[in-house]
Amino acid sequence: SQTIHQWPATLVQPVGSPLSLECTVEGTSNPNLYWYRQAAGRGLQLLFYSVGIGQISSEVPQNLSASRPQDRQFILSSKKLLLSDSGFYLCASGASGYTGELFFGEGSRLTVL
Amino acid sequence: DQQVKQNSPSLSVQEGRISILNCDYTNSMFDYFLWYKKYPAEGPTFLISISSIKDKNEDGRFTVFLNKSAKHLSLHIVPSQPGDSAVYFCAASDPGTYKYIFGTGTRLKVLA
Repeated sequence: SQTIHQWPATLVQPVGSPLSLECTVEGTSNPNLYWYRQAAGRGLQLLFYSVGIGQISSEVPQNLSASRPQDRQFILSSKKLLLSDSGFYLCASGASGYTGELFFGEGSRLTVL
Repeated sequence: DQQVKQNSPSLSVQEGRISILNCDYTNSMFDYFLWYKKYPAEGPTFLISISSIKDKNEDGRFTVFLNKSAKHLSLHIVPSQPGDSAVYFCAASDPGTYKYIFGTGTRLKVLA
């Protein structure tokens, strides 16, 4: 099975500051990668997904962006954080070429003040 | 447009009894359905899944039923244990885009 590493685990940032969350995957190659956000008391909202290096699909218009510089690395960024960006961010990885089990990292808690 | 819905935000069940969690979807192209268990401040943990070509899958205390005509799936937990208390998410995958869409979750509380 796959192992998903996410960091940092906890982040407190002021409004207007930049953001970078990183995710790396072990145990597979050429995975499909995903960023989800869980806002307080809410479900899991798909933010971005990628089926290959440099290929990013955005699901929700927002001030966040994602990049995939390497096969098993997925980065979530923002140039200027908003209060509404607070939440629990989850990176996930799935097998390439078909839909099956999705593996999740431990999550990153972002608080924007 | 919520393509995957969990209409019950919470459920309480006595220990030893059956827990039934429900999920509805709208996209008939979804080909794979999954259930995840989540604790606060942790990543979701995979529980069980079912392909759209099947109507039932069983793994220990967990059984998932799929009714394609009704676009409905359910997770049965028998017998329920206090350690099952968590938020449960259903998810569906789109084979055309490889997107996984999650429901809003149901908080299960198993009472001792």
